[in-house]
Amino acid sequence: DGGITQSPKYLFRKEGQNVTLSCEQNLNHDAMYWYRQDPGQGLRLIYYSQIVNDFQKGDIAEGYSVSREKKESFPLTVTSAQKNPTAFYLCASSIDGASGGKQFFGPGTRLTVL
Amino acid sequence: QQPVQSPQAVILREGEDAVINCSSSKALYSVHWYRQKHGEAPVFLMILLKGGEQKGHEKISASFNEKKQQSSLYLTASQLSYSGTYFCGTELGNQFYFGTGTSLTVIP
Repeated sequence: DGGITQSPKYLFRKEGQNVTLSCEQNLNHDAMYWYRQDPGQGLRLIYYSQIVNDFQKGDIAEGYSVSREKKESFPLTVTSAQKNPTAFYLCASSIDGASGGKQFFGPGTRLTVL
Repeated sequence: QQPVQSPQAVILREGEDAVINCSSSKALYSVHWYRQKHGEAPVFLMILLKGGEQKGHEKISASFNEKKQQSSLYLTASQLSYSGTYFCGTELGNQFYFGTGTSLTVIP
């Protein structure tokens, strides 16, 4: 079955540690996205990538980093520079980066900083 | 930049209708609609690509008024399964923005 997988589902981190969230898709989509969602809030774009080896910052990229070395994979690293990293992180993909492309979401990773 | 949705929250009884609005301060070229159940990922509902376009399936439909820079989602004869948070979304510049969200609760 085609889809997007994210791992782990729950992640706990101590303050000051970097952590990497995995996102893999087998839909052959060119574009991939990372969103952050805080309780009762909407989705805010962290980073997006429209093609391999290229990515752009969203509105809240500070304290995060990404890579896009393979079409299928778009891992997100939450660094110690991110002041308030506890949130629900969602990865998505679309056929391309054009506005007509519907986004398919992974199940999400819930990150808690202890 | 983020589209603004109204109302923020609505409670319906089964069988009642609802309208959710999505407004942008900038020109809209397309509008997406998604529904998110509590603790789950958003699920795509529909995209409207042209001003004046209306789409729908079963009892959920949407319209897109390009001139007014807004879109509306219509839910008729609501079912319990319609409960969740509804988000509109659009591309502004080169970035995709989701709206502020509307929490919809359907009660028996």
